Amino acid sequence: EVQLVESGGGLVQPGGSLRLSCAPSGFILGNYAMGWVRQAPGKGLEWVSAIGGGGTTYYADSVRGRFTISRDTFKNMLYLKLNSLRAEDTALYFCAKRLYDYGGPFDHWGQGTQVTVSS
Amino acid sequence: ETVMTQSPVTLSLSPGERATLSCRASQSVTDFLAWYRQRPGQTPRLLIYGASTRATGVPARFSGSGSGTEFTLTISSLQSEDVATYYCQQYYVWPLTFGGGTKVEIK
Repeated sequence: EVQLVESGGGLVQPGGSLRLSCAPSGFILGNYAMGWVRQAPGKGLEWVSAIGGGGTTYYADSVRGRFTISRDTFKNMLYLKLNSLRAEDTALYFCAKRLYDYGGPFDHWGQGTQVTVSS
Repeated sequence: ETVMTQSPVTLSLSPGERATLSCRASQSVTDFLAWYRQRPGQTPRLLIYGASTRATGVPARFSGSGSGTEFTLTISSLQSEDVATYYCQQYYVWPLTFGGGTKVEIK
């Protein structure tokens, strides 16, 4: 059974940093594309970042240069490093698996980890 | 950026009625279109991908159609457990984009 468990969220001041982690089980991380999607309170879904099966990375314009997606295939872990955080980054951050190694829809989602940016 | 526009914003129907949700892309996404259901307080679940392929375990009352820029999600007979917000998403071009959602309510 595929499961995704996020951790690392919390309350941080504007300009601060966090590292989110995603622990997948039930599949080999390096065989699939993965992504991060966020949802601000009471709002819709917003794609943040993705990494392909080959390791190529992609970012939404709103986070490019501030966020970094990475993975450790030996530990089977996915990460999202958040720097220079702003109030508008406050959201529930979901880790999600894509259907194929080259992309596709998000076929499995974690429960999310809350990031709150406030002074 | 490919903008995804969903309509209506809210849909209120009686149990057993047919629900028709629309999604329009600002440019062609061929059939690289997915639908998700997010029940209140829950994580999103993939319903449809490739515009019309049901994901594993999705009930047959859910169907998707369309290609290019116009897409439809149909729930043939609305049930109480279908109360949720439904999102479309294109995965044809970067950046990946979601629609704003359609909230389905039971009368």
